[in-house]
Amino acid sequence: GNSVTQMEGPVTLSEEAFLTINCTYTATGYPSLFWYVQYPGEGLQLLLKATKADDKGSNKGFEATYRKETTSFHLEKGSVQVSDSAVYFCALSDTGANSKLTFGKGITLSVRP
Amino acid sequence: DTGVSQDPRHKITKRGQNVTFRCDPISEHNRLYWYRQTLGQGPEFLTYFQNEAQLEKSRLLSDRFSAERPKGSFSTLEIQRTEQGDSAMYLCASSLGSRGPEAFFGQGTRLTVV
Repeated sequence: GNSVTQMEGPVTLSEEAFLTINCTYTATGYPSLFWYVQYPGEGLQLLLKATKADDKGSNKGFEATYRKETTSFHLEKGSVQVSDSAVYFCALSDTGANSKLTFGKGITLSVRP
Repeated sequence: DTGVSQDPRHKITKRGQNVTFRCDPISEHNRLYWYRQTLGQGPEFLTYFQNEAQLEKSRLLSDRFSAERPKGSFSTLEIQRTEQGDSAMYLCASSLGSRGPEAFFGQGTRLTVV
């Protein structure tokens, strides 16, 4: 079945540091890939997506590239801010008709001033 | 577009009681999903509706769980004879299938079974 593996957390960075959060997946076919973010006290929000190999999703300074050869979708940001502190989830959507999501465990990012 | 709304936001119940949660999806969205999230884990798929038809249920969804989506609009998730292991955040999401696979989530209902 489908699965998503995220690097172990939590991650603590200083403001303006470079961020990489690793995500690898196992799936049949060609799923779409997503990063969702959960800010403290809020619901899950879609951060970015990529629907086919070599697509780059980007939003709010975050980027992730769909790498089919390494089955990865690593999240990066060149300069994090305190406001980026949140829990980040990597997910893939089933290639069947229902498009249900399979999530990784999530990783908590804390950015200190 | 007011987003996905869920009610209640929090529910505390005694073991053995029945509980029902409601989800109102984004109005034009034909797909509706329920997920469960426990502490330190990502959300896990429970069930999926396309319009009013329940098309898939996870093995996680025991016989004590039932979901409906009458008329293809709002949905309810009922848990009968709650157990402490049912304590979790229950998330609802919706999507418009023709616009791609991305789903939009509500803020969830946090269930605590005491």
